[in-house]
Formats: sequence, structure tokens, C-alpha cells
Amino acid sequence: AQRVTQPEKLLSVFKGAPVELKCNYSYSGSPELFWYVQYSRQRLQLLLRHISRESIKGFTADLNKGETSFHLKKPFAQEEDSAMYYCALSGPGTGRRALTFGSGTRLQVQP
Amino acid sequence: GAVVSQHPSWVICKSGTSVKIECRSLDFQATTMFWYRQFPKQSLMLMATSNEGSKATYEQGVEKDKFLINHASLTLSTLTVTSAHPEDSSFYICSASPNMNTEAFFGQGTRLTVV
Repeated sequence: AQRVTQPEKLLSVFKGAPVELKCNYSYSGSPELFWYVQYSRQRLQLLLRHISRESIKGFTADLNKGETSFHLKKPFAQEEDSAMYYCALSGPGTGRRALTFGSGTRLQVQP
Repeated sequence: GAVVSQHPSWVICKSGTSVKIECRSLDFQATTMFWYRQFPKQSLMLMATSNEGSKATYEQGVEKDKFLINHASLTLSTLTVTSAHPEDSSFYICSASPNMNTEAFFGQGTRLTVV
């Protein structure tokens, strides 16, 4: 069975500090991994997709197949990064497959 | 990016009544849409996969007779909660993608409160 684990419910950092939101997964095959973000009172939106290998809003995430991890990182946190972050997984052909979500990590960036 | 819209954004209904939630893809066609449920302070859990022109596929533990899904067109899927009870109160979210390789786009969600 596929599973996504986000061990931290809450991560609180000060502005300018580095951030790492942890995500581990289990999947038999080649998954597609995503980070979705939900700002206060807004809908869920895509932040990063592992196959894109992009940096969005200063965030990066590298898929480590050996450790089955897809941690989200940002070197210098900003107050506007405060939000709920969900790691998610799907099988190949993501548009036709549902996502399996982690439990989410709330990031609080304090001034 | 693609836009998915849900209606209503919130609804309050009495126990025993039914309520319909719509999910529309505004600028693309979607043969497949997904319905999720999110309890307070919890993650999204897949309820069912809505397939245009055919029956929905329900996840284990989701009652298909209680949560009726109709995907009558390529831009609209509806979720009807029948004979609602207070324990059905939750946040219901749909998603869809323009094609097989595009990520999921989410609706804004519908908060259902059954009193």
C-alpha cells in the first residue's frame, strides 16, 4: 500500500532561518511526488513536482529513492511562507490518478 | 493554470436531507475527477474517483449509496450526500487535471455542516 509520512505537525522557525519539512513515502514502483501548499483561507495549490526539478518561491525538494524521501527545503524562511504544507504521491500518469496525502505540516515563520 | 470550481463553498443542512455539491473544470475538460474529504486538522482522504460516462469508483469504507457521484459531462461532477447526518459534516474537496501528465488542480472546497 502506498503511504506518505510527514512526521512533524508543526514547524516553527524565525524569519531568515533555514526550513526543512520532512516527507517519507512508501510505494512499489515509480511514484510521482508533489508538495502542495495551503495558505490561510485559500485552496490547495501545487508548490513543487519532483519531475520538474524547479525552485519555486525559494523552495526545493529532491527525490531520494534510496531513503524514499522528498524533503522540502528553503534556506531562508519568510513570514509569507507560513502555511500548511502537504506532501503527496501518485502513480505514473498523475492526471488520471488520485493523490495520497501526508498528514501535513504547519509551518509558522515568526518575525 | 487550470481552474476547478466548487459550489457551494459552504452549506448547512438538516439531518435526513440530501445536499448536492458541484465540481466544475472551468477551462478544460476532465474525464476523471476526484473527491476528497478532510476532517478538521487532518489530511485529505480520497473518497471516490469520478469517471465521465461511467460509474464512480469508491474507496474502501465509503458508502456509494450515501455519497452519490454523477459525472454527466466532461466539465462537471456532482457529489450528493444523501440522508445526511451530523457525522457527515466535513470539508469536501474535488480535483481534476487537464490531461494524464498534468498535476491535479483543486477546488476551493465545500464545508458541509449537518445540524
